[in-house]
Amino acid sequence: SQQGEEDPQALSIQEGENATMNCSYKTSINNLQWYRQNSGRGLVHLILIRSNEREKHSGRLRVTLDTSKKSSSLLITASRAADTASYFCATAGGTSYGKLTFGQGTILTVHP
Amino acid sequence: DVKVTQSSRYLVKRTGEKVFLECVQDMDHENMFWYRQDPGLGLRLIYFSYDVKMKEKGDIPEGYSVSREKKERFSLILESASTNQTSMYLCASGNRGRYEQYFGPGTRLTVT
Repeated sequence: SQQGEEDPQALSIQEGENATMNCSYKTSINNLQWYRQNSGRGLVHLILIRSNEREKHSGRLRVTLDTSKKSSSLLITASRAADTASYFCATAGGTSYGKLTFGQGTILTVHP
Repeated sequence: DVKVTQSSRYLVKRTGEKVFLECVQDMDHENMFWYRQDPGLGLRLIYFSYDVKMKEKGDIPEGYSVSREKKERFSLILESASTNQTSMYLCASGNRGRYEQYFGPGTRLTVT
């Protein structure tokens, strides 16, 4: 079953602007991850935030997690045309199998 | 760098054919996964494996089977392909106890 729900489904911005995507989930989690998928390709892991963390940074990426609201956000600062892709959140329940549940994704278009 | 390869980027099969999708990873990962990706539905887990010869059903296993005879290789089998199995198939691998997954480039399967 799909746990993560991303919002918005699509986002269109100009180069240099910030892009914010949100993810909500339903059950308790061990961690939440964000992945990027360029058109027609496989997914690439971007960042992981554990359930006991509230914020994490990686380069131009900032992820927040609010476990009380069961939600996360991904902020991409100073976006570039190369950031154009689909972005997915994925939640992990905590087994050693590493099983993830993915959301439906947000399509980000960055115009030069 | 972790490398996950899939046997074909594009595949066209006829209804009723038996289809094999192969996935190979070169990082000695214990966990391997098969997903299908459809527009508006995100990624859905078909099967996963946490060790050689071990497998677990995911969310949508009907019509599929898997085989893992060697640690580096995880095969997805469509016993009798149907048109509703037309989709993008993504393979991923990951370390036991860690949650990041590494994806292959995907196989776009069309069943006619």
